[in-house]
Amino acid sequence: QQPVQSPQAVILREGEDAVINCSSSKALYSVHWYRQKHGEAPVFLMILLKGGEQKGHDKISASFNEKKQQSSLYLTASQLSYSGTYFCGTEIGSGGYQKVTFGTGTKLQVIP
Amino acid sequence: DVKVTQSSRYLVKRTGEKVFLECVQDMDHENMFWYRQDPGLGLRLIYFSYDVKMKEKGDIPEGYSVSREKKERFSLILESASTNQTSMYLCASSSTHDPNLSNQPQHFGDGTRLSIL
Repeated sequence: QQPVQSPQAVILREGEDAVINCSSSKALYSVHWYRQKHGEAPVFLMILLKGGEQKGHDKISASFNEKKQQSSLYLTASQLSYSGTYFCGTEIGSGGYQKVTFGTGTKLQVIP
Repeated sequence: DVKVTQSSRYLVKRTGEKVFLECVQDMDHENMFWYRQDPGLGLRLIYFSYDVKMKEKGDIPEGYSVSREKKERFSLILESASTNQTSMYLCASSSTHDPNLSNQPQHFGDGTRLSIL
C-alpha cells in the first residue's frame, strides 16, 4: 500500500519554509526521500531509519516518527532550485531486498 | 559517478507487440528495479531483482516480465503491449544494504516514455 503524502501541491515564495508529510498504515523500517525535477530522473535526498533520527541536507532536513509511522521533510528558506516533485518511499520490515513503496508525490513550486 | 542508462528516451509501439525496455548500470549494484510513473499515481514498482537471474514481483507485475542475465543489465518485457501500458518507465539500481551503513539509495535512469498505439 502506498504511503500518503500531504500536501499534494504547494507554492512558496523564495525564502519561505515548507513541510511535506508522509504517512504509512504499516510499521516502517525506513523512509527515503527523493526530488524529481520536471523531465529528469528522481534524485536521492536522504534515508531515515526507525529510531526517530533527524537528518539534514543543506537547508533540507527530515524526521521520522516511528510511533506515528510518519516522516516529515522540512525545507527551510526555500530557493528556486527546490522546485520539483518530492517523493517519499517507505520500506517495511527489516530491510530485505529494499523494496521501497513510493507515495504519489508532492509538487513544490518556488516563485521569486 | 553513478550511471543508470535506459536504452530509449522515447518509444512508440503498437498494441499486441512484444516490447523490450533495457536498463544498464555501471556501479556493480546487486539490486535493480523497474517502476512506472503516471500522473497522480507516483512511482509504482513493477519488478525488482536482487541478484542475477533472481526476480521478485512488485506491486503491479501484471502484463510484464523481466530478465536479468547479467548483473549490470535488467530488461523489462511487455509480452503483448496494450494501450493502458502507455507510461513513463523508470529503472533504478542500488547496492545491497549493509546494516552497519544503513540502507542504500536508489539511483534512477532518465526514463523511457512509452506510447502504445
